[in-house]
Amino acid sequence: GAVVSQHPSRVICKSGTSVKIECRSLDFQATTMFWYRQFPKQSLMLMATSNEGSKATYEQGVEKDKFLINHASLTLSTLTVTSAHPEDSSFYICSASSGDFNQPQHFGDGTRLSIL
Amino acid sequence: GEDVEQSLFLSVREGDSSVINCTYTDSSSTYLYWYKQEPGAGLQLLTYIFSNMDMKQDQRLTVLLNKKDKHLSLRIADTQTGDSAIYFCAESKNTGTASKLTFGTGTRLQVTL
Repeated sequence: GAVVSQHPSRVICKSGTSVKIECRSLDFQATTMFWYRQFPKQSLMLMATSNEGSKATYEQGVEKDKFLINHASLTLSTLTVTSAHPEDSSFYICSASSGDFNQPQHFGDGTRLSIL
Repeated sequence: GEDVEQSLFLSVREGDSSVINCTYTDSSSTYLYWYKQEPGAGLQLLTYIFSNMDMKQDQRLTVLLNKKDKHLSLRIADTQTGDSAIYFCAESKNTGTASKLTFGTGTRLQVTL
């Protein structure tokens, strides 16, 4: 089946650091990638949708200057949490879609971000 | 309501059937999905159903869809301890370039011996 690789799986860093998370589709071209955030014992909340070669679309309440998304190629999207603070600590998950509405999104394994 | 709702917790004995329920919000959703999440892990797609279907069976999994009531259920036959996890339903809406998912609140399934 389709594989989405997400790195790193875990990050622990000091407050004020910027952290980049990568999401790669390994065996298909992902025209659209999605970034989700999951707080402990809660559901996934969509943060933004990124389409290859264009600006990301952010959900209401998500700061685009805080969470920078780049989707420069059909196999890679990155999420950069800029100047991270403890409240940004969370589990971040990406998913990728080939653009075929009849095919499900494929999810990465997630990145656990802990800001000290 | 506006949320995709699920009951929070379900406990079953090993070997019994589990039924996880979901009430979704948008009658125009094209596909409805069931995902499994184990502790500290990402999402594993279990199965999905097209909105014009009533039922789909895949080995131990049976999905029932009541479109009139916007109700979706996942039945796991012969539940095993390895099925212990959080289960999320999700509804999809086409946005133009991809399907956008809205997830349910999640149901924690506990399988006891």
